Amino acid sequence: KQEVTQIPAALSVPEGENLVLNCSFTDSAIYNLQWFRQDPGKGLTSLLLIQSSQREQTSGRLNASLDKSSGRSTLYIAASQPGDSATYLCAVLTQGGSEKLVFGKGTKLTVNP
Amino acid sequence: GAVVSQHPSRVICKSGTSVKIECRSLDFQATTMFWYRQFPKKSLMLMATSNEGSKATYEQGVEKDKFLINHASLTLSTLTVTSAHPEDSSFYICSAGRGASGPYEQYFGPGTRLTVT
Repeated sequence: KQEVTQIPAALSVPEGENLVLNCSFTDSAIYNLQWFRQDPGKGLTSLLLIQSSQREQTSGRLNASLDKSSGRSTLYIAASQPGDSATYLCAVLTQGGSEKLVFGKGTKLTVNP
Repeated sequence: GAVVSQHPSRVICKSGTSVKIECRSLDFQATTMFWYRQFPKKSLMLMATSNEGSKATYEQGVEKDKFLINHASLTLSTLTVTSAHPEDSSFYICSAGRGASGPYEQYFGPGTRLTVT
């Protein structure tokens, strides 16, 4: 059974700092890994999707890496801003009989002005 | 493109009543839609996979008679919480899978906050 773990559970940083969020998964048989952003009481916004054959994806100040063999991904946020404050969720799309997106519990990020 | 809507965004109902939540893909057809539930400080948990024109596939531990799913068209899936109880209070999020076949990239709706009093 696939399990996704995100560390840390919460993170508070001053504005302008670069930061890294971590995600690990137990089963490397995945199609892809996706990072989402969730604002309080809202749905999910997809940030980056990395296919299993890829090593990283970049979008603006965000860079996500994937090491499938070790079951790890990181989300790097450069020059953080207060508007980046949200919960960041990592999810893997599992292979096997039924394709499922399995989510971590998320990292709650607060960027202080 | 790839916009998914949910209605209602918030609903409060009395214990014992039934509530229907709609999930629509606005600008693409979705053969497969997914229903998730999110508890505070917990992961999103997949409840069921909804396939157009056929019965939904429920995850282990999800009562199919309590959470009725209908996927009558390629752009609409509904989740009905029957005989709701306070423990059903939660945030329900749907997603729609884009593509002719899997693996799908899922596009998420904005969620529905259900409160059962």
